[in-house]
Amino acid sequence: LAKTTQPISMDSYEGQEVNITCSHNNIATNDYITWYQQFPSQGPRFIIQGYKTKVTNEVASLFIPADRKSSTLSLPRVSLSDTAVYYCLVGLVGATNKLIFGTGTLLAVQP
Amino acid sequence: DVKVTQSSRYLVKRTGEKVFLECVQDMDHENMFWYRQDPGLGLRLIYFSYDVKMKEKGDIPEGYSVSREKKERFSLILESASTNQTSMYLCASSPAGRGDYEQYFGPGTRLTVT
Repeated sequence: LAKTTQPISMDSYEGQEVNITCSHNNIATNDYITWYQQFPSQGPRFIIQGYKTKVTNEVASLFIPADRKSSTLSLPRVSLSDTAVYYCLVGLVGATNKLIFGTGTLLAVQP
Repeated sequence: DVKVTQSSRYLVKRTGEKVFLECVQDMDHENMFWYRQDPGLGLRLIYFSYDVKMKEKGDIPEGYSVSREKKERFSLILESASTNQTSMYLCASSPAGRGDYEQYFGPGTRLTVT
């Protein structure tokens, strides 16, 4: 099973770039890497998904090295509203017990 | 926009009661999931379903059952609620396809068992 490891918390200031790394040493060949954002009292929200190299959308970038044993979520110029828990998810839909969320990283953005 | 709705935001039940948590999605998604979320433990998968009348156990299925009679609806059942099932319950759905891992979550149901 592809378990993930993330830092428990991170601090940042408004306007900075934030990089959150997720380790997934046992990732399988067909596994994708997905990141979610969760605000208090809400369900998680999909941010970005990737398989290898780099993926970018209007919210974030996802960097995946060639060995795919880790990935880094990059949030450009964070604001106070980016304060949330960020989850790294590795797995394959349809495979029993393959859906595993990491413990999540609490990002606190300060003014 | 994909919408996943859950029957209640807050629910208080007594120990031993049978509890039904309902989840409905409006995007014709094949896959539906039930998670529980507890402080320090993150999200843990209870059950998921990839088709009507199909179900698969997740990491922590003990004490729970599920029902999926229609594609848009996925129910989580606590046959005899216990205090250790006090938690936030989150439902999610996603379209079918290998590697398609984008899940859409509902707002959650905070269940308290007294």
